[in-house]
Amino acid sequence: DTGVSQNPRHKITKRGQNVTFRCDPISEHNRLYWYRQTLGQGPEFLTYFQNEAQLEKSRLLSDRFSAERPKGSFSTLEIQRTEQGDSAMYLCASSAGGGTANQPQHFGDGTRLSIL
Amino acid sequence: AQSVAQPEDQVNVAEGNPLTVKCTYSVSGNPYLFWYVQYPNRGLQFLLKYITGDNLVKGSYGFEAEFNKSQTSFHLKKPSALVSDSALYFCAVSTAGNNRKLIWGLGTSLAVNP
Repeated sequence: DTGVSQNPRHKITKRGQNVTFRCDPISEHNRLYWYRQTLGQGPEFLTYFQNEAQLEKSRLLSDRFSAERPKGSFSTLEIQRTEQGDSAMYLCASSAGGGTANQPQHFGDGTRLSIL
Repeated sequence: AQSVAQPEDQVNVAEGNPLTVKCTYSVSGNPYLFWYVQYPNRGLQFLLKYITGDNLVKGSYGFEAEFNKSQTSFHLKKPSALVSDSALYFCAVSTAGNNRKLIWGLGTSLAVNP
């Protein structure tokens, strides 16, 4: 399967700990997105990369959150000093580029974060 | 501001009956419209998109959607529902020039009863 891959699938950690998630996009896709989804809600946009450049970051993303895509391939999302409210599903998506808005985003199965 | 509304939290249909999941949008400029489906503990799967051209768009798994510019709607349809279609459905919109960011509806839970 050459879809979007996210690891780990589940993460349980104590409040105050740091966590890091990884996303491997579809190989030919140059755009990569992170979203957060809580139960009963649609995805909330967190941040977006085109190749290695982080082009947009949501105001929802506090300074405890950081994302990287160092070589324009895989990406990591780190949350420092986790809080109860960080418990959610973190989704990664990728899409082909080309300067248009009409390419569908393809999603991984997400990382479910539970803060104890 | 751009927005997407899915007016129904839940839709129930009997297997074999036609189904409709509603979506309306508000954007400035020409919309690019998408439908996604989400099964429990999974990511979102792309179903179909409207960019331009024919108002009736055909997608995966027998789904289709009709773009109606005057009503600013993009309802998802299927002629004959299957129990396996039971899932959460999301409508999303983007426009050119907004960094390709999708604006999402809150989702509609579809239950197809045998």
